[in-house]
Amino acid sequence: EAEVAQSPRYKITEKSQAVAFWCDPISGHATLYWYRQILGQGPELLVQFQDESVVDDSQLPKDRFSAERLKGVDSTLKIQPAELGDSAMYLCASSQLLRPKETQYFGPGTRLLVL
Amino acid sequence: GDSVTQMEGPVTLSEEACLTINCTYTATGYPSLFWYVQYPGEGLQLLLKATKADDKGSNKGFEATYRKETTSFHLEKGSVQVSDSAVYFCALSGSGGSYIPTFGRGTSLIVHP
Repeated sequence: EAEVAQSPRYKITEKSQAVAFWCDPISGHATLYWYRQILGQGPELLVQFQDESVVDDSQLPKDRFSAERLKGVDSTLKIQPAELGDSAMYLCASSQLLRPKETQYFGPGTRLLVL
Repeated sequence: GDSVTQMEGPVTLSEEACLTINCTYTATGYPSLFWYVQYPGEGLQLLLKATKADDKGSNKGFEATYRKETTSFHLEKGSVQVSDSAVYFCALSGSGGSYIPTFGRGTSLIVHP
């Protein structure tokens, strides 16, 4: 069964350092999502791509976060500089189409700890 | 705006007990409703979904019915196992034509042998 791949699974960094997370969606899935999940809470959408274009990044802290999906396949989420409050699980998800009610499939996540 | 409310956890049960995790929602129109499960240290896995009123989603012994009159989508299982211990998230999407899903805060389930 096809899965969403993410790396690394765990990342420890010091504040003010730069970190990057990678996601490879299920093959053929046009839509890709990045979420942040703080411990004990549900996922919150950071950015949504349709192919290589950003559909929604209204919740992305653009002063320190950036995301790209240059060829419309895999994607990278970057934080620079990292802050203590960025410690969380970062989840990537993909769906086949960009339309309401579409099912999203999640990767295993990257757990970030900022010291 | 849209919102999803789940019962507070943790829910602690003995093996073979019956499970109900309550989920109610506020949304515009007719969203799709989902239950996701998250095992420790892992991402979310789709457990089941329902796309219209009175639909029943089911998987691995879990089921939930889309009740528009009560705006609810409660998760049920007749006999839980230790391996069901996880965090369960209720979610909705497609409300008012929106592509952005809304998740509840999650409910932790602990099943003892």
